[in-house]
Parts: sequence; structure tokens; C-alpha cells
Amino acid sequence: GQSLEQPSEVTAVEGAIVQINCTYQTSGFYGLSWYQQHDGGAPTFLSYNALDGLEETGRFSSFLSRSDSYGYLLLQELQMKDSASYFCAVRKAAGNKLTFGGGTRVLVKP
Amino acid sequence: NAGVTQTPKFQVLKTGQSMTLQCAQDMNHNSMYWYRQDPGMGLRLIYYSASEGTTDKGEVPNGYNVSRLNKREFSLRLESAAPSQTSVYFCATSFTVSEPSGNTIYFGEGSWLTVV
Repeated sequence: GQSLEQPSEVTAVEGAIVQINCTYQTSGFYGLSWYQQHDGGAPTFLSYNALDGLEETGRFSSFLSRSDSYGYLLLQELQMKDSASYFCAVRKAAGNKLTFGGGTRVLVKP
Repeated sequence: NAGVTQTPKFQVLKTGQSMTLQCAQDMNHNSMYWYRQDPGMGLRLIYYSASEGTTDKGEVPNGYNVSRLNKREFSLRLESAAPSQTSVYFCATSFTVSEPSGNTIYFGEGSWLTVV
């Protein structure tokens, strides 16, 4: 089977840095994705890591350690618009099916 | 360019009724998916279609059927709706794994379904 664990909620102030951890247990691991979802909206793709290391895209970065079955999403210079839920998702080697974690709700305060 | 379009956006059903959720994409993607999301939860895969003419079960297929009508359209049918199927349903698409950007999945805006 597969399971992903991520914190349920994080609160931070504008300008701060937030790290959302994701640990996973799965067979046939292929890569780890991150998605953002605002309340009432659709999930949107943020990043994907297939290899160990850090991927940087503007204020957001994602890290993967395959040996530790662990990844994180780093949100820098937090803005009010970053208040949303963030989901990690594991991609299995057999195809493009994703298994999602339960999501981390990030609340940014002034 | 509409992307991924789902209809209807909102629907209330009585227990035992049937309905079909429609999904169409104009992104020329081969793979299409149906996910459900319960309040405060992550997304769970119901069914997916790796390419036109193929469908496969996901994590939670019971109570659902799908049809990949052509490359653009992938429908989800509830034959006999139950209150446990109250959820938000998302259709999604992607390129196949081997193609550039095959790891990116694009979601529709969602269909809110309530079964009473």
C-alpha cells in the first residue's frame, strides 16, 4: 500500500519562511509532486522531484531524499495569497497515477 | 482555450438516482483522471484512462463507472447514488509519462455533488 504524511496546518506571518514536510511509504516510487489548492478552487501544480536534491521555482522550492522517503516544500517570503492547502503526491513507477497526502493548510497572517 | 471543462458544476441527487459527470479537455493530453475530494481531505483517484480506449481502476472505484468516449472526453457515472458519494469531483488530464511535462496534472474546476 501507500501512505503519505504531512502536517495538517501551519500558521505564519507575511514575509516568513514555511517548510512543509512530507514522508511517504510506497512501492515503486517514481517521483514526488506538490500541488496548491485555494479554498473552493482546483489543485494547481507547483513542482516535481524525481531525483534527490532541491528544485527552485521562484519563492517556492521542493526537496527530495529518496533514501529517507522524505520531501519538503519551502515557501519563502510568504504573501497573503499563499494562504491555501498544499498537497504532496507520490507518483508510482507503473504510470502517471498520483496518490495524494491529506494536505497542509497554510494560514498567512499580516 | 478552455483547458479542462467539467459539467455540471453543482448537483443534488436523491439516494438511488443516477447521473453522469462530463469532462472534456482541449489540451491534446492522452491521460485523463477522475478524483474525489471529501471535506478537509486529499484527493483520491477513482478511475483513470492512460490513453483513448483504455480505463483502469484507482483507489476508490466502487459505485462508479467511466467511459473514455474519445481523446477529449472522459465521463464518470454514478449508477445508484449513495450519501457516501457526496463529495467534490475533479477531472484531470496530463501528457503520458514518457512525454515532456508528463508529470504535471491539470485539474478542472470541480463538480460539487450532494446526495441526500
